This record gives sequence, structure tokens and C-alpha cells, in this order.
Amino acid sequence: GQNIDQPTEMTATEGAIVQINCTYQTSGFNGLFWYQQHAGEAPTFLSYNVLDGLEEKGRFSSFLSRSKGYSYLLLKELQMKDSASYLCAVTDSNYQLIWGAGTKLIIKP
Amino acid sequence: GAVVSQHPSWVICKSGTSVKIECRSLDFQATTMFWYRQFPKQSLMLMATSNEGSKATYEQGVEKDKFLINHASLTLSTLTVTSAHPEDSSFYICSARLLAGFNEQFFGPGTRLTVL
Repeated sequence: GQNIDQPTEMTATEGAIVQINCTYQTSGFNGLFWYQQHAGEAPTFLSYNVLDGLEEKGRFSSFLSRSKGYSYLLLKELQMKDSASYLCAVTDSNYQLIWGAGTKLIIKP
Repeated sequence: GAVVSQHPSWVICKSGTSVKIECRSLDFQATTMFWYRQFPKQSLMLMATSNEGSKATYEQGVEKDKFLINHASLTLSTLTVTSAHPEDSSFYICSARLLAGFNEQFFGPGTRLTVL
């Protein structure tokens, strides 16, 4: 079966750095997405990785290792507004998007 | 660019009535649109994949006769919840995929449905 695992919840301090991990087992791979979702709102796109390595975009970076079926989202200089759920999603060989359950990130002052 | 709108943003209806939700891609053409449902504190659950000009593909456990999907044009897909019941109360989100690019899905703002 297809499976995406990410921690259910994480807590971090304002101004700090947090890494949210995602591991996947899917039938084929055509890219990995990270989305941010605030409570009561729709997800918004954060990043896309299809090749191994690190993609940096401002305070957010995303890393991919296809051989390990592993990705992480790195958030630096955390702000209170970063409190949200972070969803990992993988596109399989049929270009279907397989979603993780999301990681709820709680930022404390 | 790549904006997706949904209408209405929220709706309250009586049990037994039908509710139609519209999803539009405002500045791009989307051959494929997706409908998701999300219950409180749970992740997105894909309900169906909607392809322009053809029948929608429903996920296992989703009743096609209850959740009617029409994708009549490259910019509009509609979801009709027929004979809604309180257990259908949820956050319904659509997304649209660009014809080209890396298959990113652009999400609408969602529709919160409350069935009394």
C-alpha cells in the first residue's frame, strides 16, 4: 500500500528552528510537496522537490532523499504565525497525490 | 496567478436539502480538479477526481449518487451534496491542477457546510 508518515504534533519556540520529517512508501514517485494549512483555511503551497537535495525559499527549506523515501521541511526564525499544520504529499506513478496526515506545529513565545 | 475560487464560502442548510458548491480556476485552465473533505482536526480526504468532459472518479467509500460532480468546462467544477444530513457537515475544499508544470495543486479557500 501507499503510506506517508509524519509526526502528529511538534512544539517549538519563537525564533528557533524546527525540522518536520516525512517518510513515504508509494508506487512510483513524481515529486513531493509541502503545504501549510492554518486552522479553518485551505492548504497553501510551500515547496516542491523532485530531485535529491535541499530547496531553500526564505525561512523555509525542504530536503529530499529519494533513495531513503525521506523528506524534511525546515523552518527557521520561527514566528507565531507559523503555527499551523504542515502537510507532506507525494505524487505517485499515476500522478495521484498521496497525502500525509499532517503535522500540527505549535509555536510558543 | 493560479487562483482558485470557491462559492459559497460557508453554507447552513436543513437536513434533506441539496447544496451545490462551485470551484473555479480564475486565471488558468484546469483539466483536472479535485474535491476534498476535511473533518475537524483531521487531514484532507480526497473524495473524487474530476476531469473536464468526463465522469468523475470517486474514491472508495464515497457515494457517487450522493456527491454529484460536474466538470463542464476547463474552469468550473461543481459538487452537489444531495439530501444532506448532519454527518455531511464538513469543510469541503477543491483544488485544480495546471495543464503543465509539476502537477502542483492550487486550492480553493474551502466551503464550510453545516447541516442542521
